[in-house]
Amino acid sequence: NAGVTQTPKFRVLKTGQSMTLLCAQDMNHEYMYWYRQDPGMGLRLIHYSVGEGTTAKGEVPDGYNVSRLKKQNFLLGLESAAPSQTSVYFCASSYPTSGAETQYFGPGTRLLVL
Amino acid sequence: AQSVTQLGSHVSVSEGALVLLRCNYSSSVPPYLFWYVQYPNQGLQLLLKYTSAATLVKGINGFEAEFKKSETSFHLTKPSAHMSDAAEYFCAVLRNYQLIWGAGTKLIIKP
Repeated sequence: NAGVTQTPKFRVLKTGQSMTLLCAQDMNHEYMYWYRQDPGMGLRLIHYSVGEGTTAKGEVPDGYNVSRLKKQNFLLGLESAAPSQTSVYFCASSYPTSGAETQYFGPGTRLLVL
Repeated sequence: AQSVTQLGSHVSVSEGALVLLRCNYSSSVPPYLFWYVQYPNQGLQLLLKYTSAATLVKGINGFEAEFKKSETSFHLTKPSAHMSDAAEYFCAVLRNYQLIWGAGTKLIIKP
């Protein structure tokens, strides 16, 4: 049981390049999330999904797109990377219960945009 | 709107001393509250959560937190700090499937 995994662990991009971050979970969770973490700002939600084939915008969605074609995978895309997207990206997943679902996090992807 | 405030971006305590990390929230309804810990270069993991069952919540690694509605607080404590507690701690409140996060408090343990 690997939990939540993220690929890649680290990436350097040039401004304007595109890339996709992959998140995979093997816990059969319905909900999945993408966050970015910047110093002194905590975590900010980019996009989330409450089930296969559904996605929704979070707090900071601009410049990102997501897809949830399979329940276990949640992809985050950057179509044209900008230096402001330099950050650590975390994926998380949870299973809906009574409302106080615990979110399980992946190890993170460090992205540097030059 | 719900929000979370963590007082102190850095807290330094001596090994063996009491740990107190502060979290205040604003919420128009009874909240679900969480504390997560992030060790260096790792993802976040749940320490404990408040779901209205009991105001004093015990978590992993000897941490606990007390929900005080009158003070809108959910402070995290541990009686005796250990070097392995050095990490960043995040308080969060749940709103519509989404966690609203505090900015985090980095706990530094002095030998």
